[in-house]
Amino acid sequence: DTEVTQTPKHLVMGMTNKKSLKCEQHMGHRAMYWYKQKAKKPPELMFVYSYEKLSINESVPSRFSPECPNSSLLNLHLHALQPEDSALYLCASSPPNTRNTGELFFGEGSRLTVL
Amino acid sequence: SQQGEEDPQALSIQEGENATMNCSYKTSINNLQWYRQNSGRGLVHLILIRSNEREKHSGRLRVTLDTSKKSSSLLITASRAADTASYFCATEVTGGGNKLTFGTGTQLKVEL
Repeated sequence: DTEVTQTPKHLVMGMTNKKSLKCEQHMGHRAMYWYKQKAKKPPELMFVYSYEKLSINESVPSRFSPECPNSSLLNLHLHALQPEDSALYLCASSPPNTRNTGELFFGEGSRLTVL
Repeated sequence: SQQGEEDPQALSIQEGENATMNCSYKTSINNLQWYRQNSGRGLVHLILIRSNEREKHSGRLRVTLDTSKKSSSLLITASRAADTASYFCATEVTGGGNKLTFGTGTQLKVEL
């Protein structure tokens, strides 16, 4: 299984809603990532988990809350979002490598619209 | 910012022609990677070149890396309509941990 699966594919939420994005991989990867991508822009790193511990937070607002329940799952909890948070949210994983990152495997993304 | 700058921003060619896109970055890196993204989809890894490598091939892809100029190029030979996509370079800064930063991207259109 060489896939990263993201659910839901599309999500529409109001600014007062609480929702979650989910990401799953069964490749034994121990690093998992959340990226945010606006239209016609490159992906921007949000969070990195390494061995289920948060290792990088790119100064992301607290209305985004990541969670890594186990080595296969990564969640992104959303609360009190703003319309400008509408974007494609991409999850990725990479094999364990203490020296450098290596190849990232991406999911197809969750398209989020905040009304 | 370490974000790579890519040029051209957009490239339109005919099927069968070669496509070349360039990436420049600012600080020393462990490796540089190239990814492809079809519209609204996830990214697909194409090739990784390490800082001590100068050239790498994979099928119709050829990547070069010049660390003295802090630049890389991706050449796609004998392009096909299916190569139409956005192409991003991504760099891992030396000592940066698991942090891969993407360049601005090149939108490639291959016409029949």
